[in-house]
Amino acid sequence: KQEVTQIPAALSVPEGENLVLNCSFTDSAIYNLQWFRQDPGKGLTSLLLIQSSQREQTSGRLNASLDKSSGRSTLYIAASQPGDSATYLCAVSGKLIFGQGTTLQVKP
Amino acid sequence: DVKVTQSSRYLVKRTGEKVFLECVQDMDHENMFWYRQDPGLGLRLIYFSYDVKMKEKGDIPEGYSVSREKKERFSLILESASTNQTSMYLCASSFPGQKNIQYFGAGTRLSVL
Repeated sequence: KQEVTQIPAALSVPEGENLVLNCSFTDSAIYNLQWFRQDPGKGLTSLLLIQSSQREQTSGRLNASLDKSSGRSTLYIAASQPGDSATYLCAVSGKLIFGQGTTLQVKP
Repeated sequence: DVKVTQSSRYLVKRTGEKVFLECVQDMDHENMFWYRQDPGLGLRLIYFSYDVKMKEKGDIPEGYSVSREKKERFSLILESASTNQTSMYLCASSFPGQKNIQYFGAGTRLSVL
C-alpha cells in the first residue's frame, strides 16, 4: 500500500531564505507526483505536476524534483516571501495519495 | 481557468439529518472526486466517478453515497449524519487518465452536532 510522508510537518523561516520541502513515497510505481498549496480554511491549488518520466518541473520561484528510484521528491522555494506561508501537500497517483503536508511560515 | 464550485463553505447539521454536499465543475471533466480532510489524517478519498451515473468507492466510503446525474455535478450524500463526519470536504475534477491534474474546489467545512 502506497504511503506518502512529508518532513518536516512545520517550518518557519525568515523572509528571503531559500528552502526545501521533502516528500517520500513507498511505492515507486507512480504515474505522476503533484505539489499543492493550501491556505488556511481553503481548498487546494495545484502548483506543479511531474510526470513519472520527468525529473523536475519549474514554475517561477518553485522547482520540484522527482527521483522515482529512491521514492523522493523535493519542492524548492527560492527567495521565500510572507505570501508563501501556507501548507504544502504532495500527492502521488494513480489514485491520488496525499502526504500530511508541511506548514510553512515565512516571517517578514 | 478551471472552476470547481462547492455550494457551501460552511454547514452545520444535526445528528441523523440527511446532508447533501454539491460540487459543480465547468471544464467538461469526466472524473470527479470527493475527499475529506482531517487533522493528522490528511486527505482521504471517499468516492470518485469517471462518468455520468458511474461511481467507485474510495478508501473510506462507509456512511456516504454519491450521485452523478449530470457530467458537471457530483453530489456527496450523508444518509444519516454523525458527529464523526464533522470534517472538511473537498471536491475535485480532472480529465480521464491518471496522469492528469486534479482541480479542487474551495471546500465545505461541515459540523455535525
